[in-house]
Amino acid sequence: GQSLEQPSEVTAVEGAIVQINCTYQTSGFYGLSWYQQHDGGAPTFLSYNALDGLEETGRFSSFLSRSDSYGYLLLQELQMKDSASYFCAVWMGNQFYFGTGTSLTVIP
Amino acid sequence: GAVVSQHPSWVICKSGTSVKIECRSLDFQATTMFWYRQFPKQSLMLMATSNEGSKATYEQGVEKDKFLINHASLTLSTLTVTSAHPEDSSFYICSAGEWTSGRINEQYFGPGTRLTVT
Repeated sequence: GQSLEQPSEVTAVEGAIVQINCTYQTSGFYGLSWYQQHDGGAPTFLSYNALDGLEETGRFSSFLSRSDSYGYLLLQELQMKDSASYFCAVWMGNQFYFGTGTSLTVIP
Repeated sequence: GAVVSQHPSWVICKSGTSVKIECRSLDFQATTMFWYRQFPKQSLMLMATSNEGSKATYEQGVEKDKFLINHASLTLSTLTVTSAHPEDSSFYICSAGEWTSGRINEQYFGPGTRLTVT
C-alpha cells in the first residue's frame, strides 16, 4: 500500500514562513500534489510537482525529491486565513492517495 | 477551475435506511470520479474509483454491496449508502479528474456531503 506521513500539527506566527513535510513510501507515482482544507469544507488544490525541484505559486511553494522520498509545502507571509489542514497526495496514474494531514494554526 | 457539485450537502437519516449522494461535474466531462470518506480530524480515505459505463473499483475493506456506486453519464456519479448505521456517519467527498495529455494531474473536489445516521 501507499504511505505518506506528515506532522500532525504545526503552529506558526502570522507573517512567518512555515514548511510542512511529507515523507512517503510508495512504489512509483506520477506526481505529488498539495491540498488545503478548512474545517467543514472540501479540499482545494494548491500545487503539483511532476518533477523534482521547486514549484512556486504565489505565497505557496512545493518541493519534491524522489531520491529522498520527500516533499514539502512552503507557506510564506503567513496569514490568519492560512489556518487549515494541509494534505499531500500522490497520483498513481489511476487514483490519488492522501497523506495523514497537517493541521496548521497561525497565531497573531 | 472546473466545478464539481454534490447533493445533498448534508443529510440526517435513520439507521437502516439508504441514502443517495450525487456528484456532478458541471463544466467538463469526467470519465473518472473518485469517492472519499473523511472522519473528523482524519485524512481522506479513498473508497472507490467510479468509471463511466463500467463497474466501480473499490478499495480494500470497502463493502461494494453497502456502498453502491453508479456512474451513468460523463457528468454524474452517485454513491448510495445502503442500510446505513451510525458508524457510517462521516463526510463523503467526491472528486472528478480532468485528463490532460492522457494523464490526470489535477482533481476537482465537490463540496462534500455530511451524513449523520441516528
